[in-house]
Amino acid sequence: DGGITQSPKYLFRKEGQNVTLSCEQNLNHDAMYWYRQDPGQGLRLIYYSQIVNDFQKGDIAEGYSVSREKKESFPLTVTSAQKNPTAFYLCASSMSSGTDTQYFGPGTRLTVL
Amino acid sequence: GENVEQHPSTLSVQEGDSAVIKCTYSDSASNYFPWYKQELGKRPQLIIDIRSNVGEKKDQRIAVTLNKTAKHFSLHITETQPEDSAVYFCAARESGGSYIPTFGRGTSLIVHP
Repeated sequence: DGGITQSPKYLFRKEGQNVTLSCEQNLNHDAMYWYRQDPGQGLRLIYYSQIVNDFQKGDIAEGYSVSREKKESFPLTVTSAQKNPTAFYLCASSMSSGTDTQYFGPGTRLTVL
Repeated sequence: GENVEQHPSTLSVQEGDSAVIKCTYSDSASNYFPWYKQELGKRPQLIIDIRSNVGEKKDQRIAVTLNKTAKHFSLHITETQPEDSAVYFCAARESGGSYIPTFGRGTSLIVHP
């Protein structure tokens, strides 16, 4: 799982600002995912992508957007429409969406001031 | 869609005791059940998984059991050590559809020396 990185580790944002979280992997994985983690809530799926130039909404996509222009990269933008964006964001990848093991990045902690 | 319930939310044990975490799932089509360990501030890491054609799987001090009829699966940790302290997540994944796993809300395991 050292092959999947996220930056920055900590991010602070003022209300009303959009912010983009980076996720990069060098594992040659086709599928990538974004999760949001809140205390006591587990991991909730925001968006996922099974292949370049394609992505689908997860359970809590409202207020978020993604792109998948390159296989290695799956950035997540938290828009001003997201009402409660303060959370820990985890990116993950897997060989394909049909394979079992997901590898997680180290996460980005976003705080809205 | 799939729904995964995980209990307990917090588990406190003495070093050397056993710990058991239980999960139930709703979709009988689910056939893959991973368990992740997340230490404080770190990324989730896969510790063990089980597929629906197997009833039990063991790896040193950890084991997972699956009861497909009752739709529940459990993580067993024997001879607990302080370094086992972490949040543990179960997940269930359908054999069809998007193949995206659904996570439980997590169990915070505290092992007292």
